[in-house]
Amino acid sequence: KQEVTQIPAALSVPEGENLVLNCSFTDSAIYNLQWFRQDPGKGLTSLLLIQSSQREQTSGRLNASLDKSSGRSTLYIAASQPGDSATYLCAVRETTDSWGKLQFGAGTQVVVTP
Amino acid sequence: SAVISQKPSRDICQRGTSLTIQCQVDSQVTMMFWYRQQPGQSLTLIATANQGSEATYESGFVIDKFPISRPNLTFSTLTVSNMSPEDSSIYLCSARWGETEAFFGQGTRLTVV
Repeated sequence: KQEVTQIPAALSVPEGENLVLNCSFTDSAIYNLQWFRQDPGKGLTSLLLIQSSQREQTSGRLNASLDKSSGRSTLYIAASQPGDSATYLCAVRETTDSWGKLQFGAGTQVVVTP
Repeated sequence: SAVISQKPSRDICQRGTSLTIQCQVDSQVTMMFWYRQQPGQSLTLIATANQGSEATYESGFVIDKFPISRPNLTFSTLTVSNMSPEDSSIYLCSARWGETEAFFGQGTRLTVV
């Protein structure tokens, strides 16, 4: 059974520092991996989608890498801002699932202090 | 990006009652998904709703407790039946178009008292 783990569970950094969020998964047979942002009590906002054939994906200050063979993905957020404070979730879609359901990690709660 | 609208956004309900959550997407999609996020926890899939057929439920979730309707390709409902305080959670619907990223609604925050 696929297990998705995110470390650390919580992270507090001063404004301007780079953020590094880790996601690991136990079964490398994934179709893709997606990073989300969730603000308190709200739904999920998609940040980046990495297909299994890709090594990284970039959008603005965000960069996500994927090492499928080792079961790891890392989300980098450059020059953090207080508005980046949120919980960040990673989720994998397995190749065995044709419907596209996702397996989620527990998330990393990020606080960026001014 | 796709737009997924969920309502209500939040509700406070008495135990023993039922609540129906609606999810509307802005373009036709084959598969829709319902997730639950209990306080302080990550998301757990409740069921997959395929238009024109019965929903497929994950282990630990049953149709009598969480009946789902999917009358067309842009709409689905999830009912939380005979609620207890343990059902207090955020409920989220999700959809994916082809092989693109998954999109989520803004969630329904349910408190059962």
